Amino acid sequence: GAVVSQHPSWVICKSGTSVKIECRSLDFQATTMFWYRQFPKQSLMLMATSNEGSKATYEQGVEKDKFLINHASLTLSTLTVTSAHPEDSSFYICSARTNFEWVADNEQFFGPGTRLTVL
Amino acid sequence: GDSVTQMEGPVTLSEEACLTINCTYTATGYPSLFWYVQYPGEGLQLLLKATKADDKGSNKGFEATYRKETTSFHLEKGSVQVSDSAVYFCALSDQGGSEKLVFGKGTKLTVNP
Repeated sequence: GAVVSQHPSWVICKSGTSVKIECRSLDFQATTMFWYRQFPKQSLMLMATSNEGSKATYEQGVEKDKFLINHASLTLSTLTVTSAHPEDSSFYICSARTNFEWVADNEQFFGPGTRLTVL
Repeated sequence: GDSVTQMEGPVTLSEEACLTINCTYTATGYPSLFWYVQYPGEGLQLLLKATKADDKGSNKGFEATYRKETTSFHLEKGSVQVSDSAVYFCALSDQGGSEKLVFGKGTKLTVNP
């Protein structure tokens, strides 16, 4: 149990286009989802926290108009990179958390990541 | 702000060798500490955790002890296997493990037969 998927696993797009990345909790309901960004040989940096049915909370320095996050259901969150540019190329990882009792300490479950390359 | 520093990789070991990956942290409060593992092509998985000083987390033969005096949480295993090859991330959370995670840069481990 507690599987999180991401789609697509990799995407290449032209500069100026928008890209949508999906994060799904496959066998549990995620009350909270997190979006991270990872540069080569760097740690995961939290971009934003989203709770189902409410607006995402963005970390300092993350442009909310650039990285649109929607958490419309308890199993799906989307990250849209708008007007992507080469500097947005990165590895994007989501995680999901549930408040269910069978999960100790509200553990986060991670997706496999999405590699975005902007040409 | 809070930060995690872990040993730079990559680390290459022979099967049955001992493993230590160092991790130190800086935090204003009393964080919970974690080790996550990422196998090739998969998402990060929680390997072990400790929520207070002197706690020892353990799983799959791996251990790490929360050392408040040295602000460390080193990952150890006495005898590694080829299947342990992965990237290991040290992380902390200031909210008892349920809120934001701050990660180290990750250490890639390769175990050769």
